[in-house]
Amino acid sequence: GEDVEQSLFLSVREGDSSVINCTYTDSSSTYLYWYKQEPGAGLQLLTYIFSNMDMKQDQRLTVLLNKKDKHLSLRIADTQTGDSAIYFCAEIITGYALNFGKGTSLLVTP
Amino acid sequence: NAGVTQTPKFQVLKTGQSMTLQCAQDMNHEYMSWYRQDPGMGLRLIHYSVGAGITDQGEVPNGYNVSRSTTEDFPLRLLSAAPSQTSVYFCASRGTAEFEQYFGPGTRLTVT
Repeated sequence: GEDVEQSLFLSVREGDSSVINCTYTDSSSTYLYWYKQEPGAGLQLLTYIFSNMDMKQDQRLTVLLNKKDKHLSLRIADTQTGDSAIYFCAEIITGYALNFGKGTSLLVTP
Repeated sequence: NAGVTQTPKFQVLKTGQSMTLQCAQDMNHEYMSWYRQDPGMGLRLIHYSVGAGITDQGEVPNGYNVSRSTTEDFPLRLLSAAPSQTSVYFCASRGTAEFEQYFGPGTRLTVT
C-alpha cells in the first residue's frame, strides 16, 4: 500500500515534551491510531482519534489531527525514560486492517 | 477471555520447509489480519479476512496462504519457507462495532 510517513528517530531529555509526527494516506480513514512497542514486546494501543475530531487529550498524551493535510501528531508531555520505545501511527484500510508507518524510535535521556 | 493467541512463540525452519502459524481469538470478531514486522519496516499486512470463508491479500502476500473456516481461527501457512520470511508475525482481530484492533503476542520465525 501507500506509505504512512513518520520520522525515524527522536531524542528528548527527561521532563521535556515529545512530538511525533505522521502523514497518512487515506482521507477516508475513520480512525487513526498510535501504538507503542517496547524492545522485544508486542504492540500496545496508546491512543486513537476518530476522524471527526481535531484533538484528543488523554492524561500526558495529546493527539492532533489535520485532515486537510492528512497529518497526525502525538505529543507526550513530561516525557519519562519509560516512554523510550518505538511509536507507530496507523490508519484503517480495507477490511478494517491497518496500514502502519515504519515507526519512530523515541529515546529519552536523563 | 484469552483475547488473541498465537502459537508457536518461536520457530526455526530450514529453507523449503512448510509450517502453519496459528492464530485464534475468542471474542467472536469478524475481522482478522496477519502482519509481519521487519526492522525498520514497520508492520506490513500479509492477508486479512472480513469473516468466515472470506480472505483477501494485503501488501505482501507472496509465499503465504490463509484460510478462515471458522470465526475463531485464522492460520497462516508458509508453503516453502525462504530466508526472506524471517520475521516477527503478528495476528490481530477486531469486531464490527469496535475501534480497537487486538493484537496477539507474536511469533518470531527464523528461516535458515
